[in-house]
Amino acid sequence: NAGVTQTPKFQVLKTGQSMTLQCAQDMNHNSMYWYRQDPGMGLRLIYYSASEGTTDKGEVPNGYNVSRLNKREFSLRLESAAPSQTSVYFCASSDVGVNEQFFGPGTRLTVL
Amino acid sequence: ILNVEQSPQSLHVQEGDSTNFTCSFPSSNFYALHWYRWETAKSPEALFVMTLNGDEKKKGRISATLNTKEGYSYLYIKGSQPEDSATYLCAFGTSYGKLTFGQGTILTVHP
Repeated sequence: NAGVTQTPKFQVLKTGQSMTLQCAQDMNHNSMYWYRQDPGMGLRLIYYSASEGTTDKGEVPNGYNVSRLNKREFSLRLESAAPSQTSVYFCASSDVGVNEQFFGPGTRLTVL
Repeated sequence: ILNVEQSPQSLHVQEGDSTNFTCSFPSSNFYALHWYRWETAKSPEALFVMTLNGDEKKKGRISATLNTKEGYSYLYIKGSQPEDSATYLCAFGTSYGKLTFGQGTILTVHP
């Protein structure tokens, strides 16, 4: 099992460019999440998907969109990147209810 | 927005010392409290998920306690080793899996 995979690992964008971060999990989890991690801020939830076909905003959703493509895949899109979106992005998945989340390796994004 | 606070922000100990840190969270509408360990250049990995007041969990030299009525959890490490150096995160969980994380405690264990 690969667990949670993310692509790309690194990305540099110019202000105004768009891109999609990909996330896939092979653990048959219902729920998937996108977080961003900034120095001194901990992990902050951007969007989550409690089950296939549903998505909801988290703490910091502005400037992002998500798609739960199927049960395995949950993508995060930046339509017009801004320097404030420079961060490390983590995808995670879990079973429903009280269950630990499993994290991907992260994507380090720099917006110039 | 939920307020989850961890203290201290960072901690330096000597190999062999025992240490502990605190996570504070809202005591109302409690559902679950998670602890994660996050090593540099890796991804967070779950240590414990706790749901019941008075819960105590243990994994090797690491243990955790939970007090839902007063809204705090302690993480203890007995006989710290350099490989315990990491950021320890706690997170307040909801019934649908959404987590609100604290800022973490950075532990450095010196040989």
